[in-house]
Amino acid sequence: LAKTTQPISMDSYEGQEVNITCSHNNIATNDYITWYQQFPSQGPRFIIQGYKTKVTNEVASLFIPADRKSSTLSLPRVSLSDTAVYYCPLGLTFGKGTHLIIQP
Amino acid sequence: NAGVTQTPKFQVLKTGQSMTLQCAQDMNHNSMYWYRQDPGMGLRLIYYSASEGTTDKGEVPNGYNVSRLNKREFSLRLESAAPSQTSVYFCASSERAGGLRTDTQYFGPGTRLTVL
Repeated sequence: LAKTTQPISMDSYEGQEVNITCSHNNIATNDYITWYQQFPSQGPRFIIQGYKTKVTNEVASLFIPADRKSSTLSLPRVSLSDTAVYYCPLGLTFGKGTHLIIQP
Repeated sequence: NAGVTQTPKFQVLKTGQSMTLQCAQDMNHNSMYWYRQDPGMGLRLIYYSASEGTTDKGEVPNGYNVSRLNKREFSLRLESAAPSQTSVYFCASSERAGGLRTDTQYFGPGTRLTVL
């Protein structure tokens, strides 16, 4: 099964930009890179998806280098409500995610 | 659209009892999935159905069976529950048949199961 590696936890403060990096060394040619957000007692929900270069939507940006062996989720100007677990699965392998804690 | 719905929301079983977790989606999606989530373990795939009429094992299938009843519904059955199956179970769906490595998954709210 394809595997991803991401930090277990991160801390930041309201108003800051937060970047979470995911390593996926054995990514397959047909894999898309998708990031999900999960709040306690809820199912994960889609944030953003890309295949290469940069993708931006209303909540985040996703940066993917040319070799696609990593990706970085960028959350601009975070707020307390961005405290959650963030996943970067490959295919159907989710891993443990990154627990992002935003402080006032 | 309700999206992905799961029943029940909570369940307590005794060791050896059986039960079926129900999942339904109203998005006309072709693929459906069952995951379990344990503290500190992230999400682990139990079974998936890449299209109506097909099912395949995931990372942790032992102790479970599934049925893809029709395009909308995908159930997970515990034949003889064990304390190790205490977990939160999530059902998900995605649009295309076989789009496992490309398609966004939409998750249900989860079923919290405790086995005593």
